[in-house]
Amino acid sequence: DVKVTQSSRYLVKRTGEKVFLECVQDMDHENMFWYRQDPGLGLRLIYFSYDVKMKEKGDIPEGYSVSREKKERFSLILESASTNQTSMYLCASEGGTEAFFGQGTRLTVV
Amino acid sequence: GNSVTQMEGPVTLSEEAFLTINCTYTATGYPSLFWYVQYPGEGLQLLLKATKADDKGSNKGFEATYRKETTSFHLEKGSVQVSDSAVYFCALRNSGNTPLVFGKGTRLSVIA
Repeated sequence: DVKVTQSSRYLVKRTGEKVFLECVQDMDHENMFWYRQDPGLGLRLIYFSYDVKMKEKGDIPEGYSVSREKKERFSLILESASTNQTSMYLCASEGGTEAFFGQGTRLTVV
Repeated sequence: GNSVTQMEGPVTLSEEAFLTINCTYTATGYPSLFWYVQYPGEGLQLLLKATKADDKGSNKGFEATYRKETTSFHLEKGSVQVSDSAVYFCALRNSGNTPLVFGKGTRLSVIA
């Protein structure tokens, strides 16, 4: 069974903290993605990667960075968390035409 | 640019009712079209897809037909169940290795 695993289901962080969201896939996919999901706005693409050490900005990269040191792992970094980054974060990996999603991390910044 | 517009929810239906969720798209080129579903507390999963005009995708009683002339990919089900309660996302991918573009999602609630 294919799997995309996000390290935390729920996180609470303080304003200004550096936050790491981890995502691991076991399907040997090259393509990986980070989205945030907000009510009324749907899914918005933050960053994506088509290969190790490669990254591309999505639609809303400001305030975020990513790291892809190994094929199976794609990390999203909030350099200095702010309250407007409170959201559900979804990681996906892709092989062929189908994207597989993790369960999401609900991040609250207080 | 590429975009997807789907009907706003929430949609509330009684069990065994007919479901339609409208989806239209704007794209350069000839995109592939998808419906993803998100059950409560879970990530998204692929429900069905169509890769060219007039293709029909189907799965779990859901269907959608790729209509190039109306740039639409409406999701339908003849008889919904309580277990179909979820958020449904229409999405497209343009030609080549490009990221999916999602609509805003439509929440469906089915009541017994």
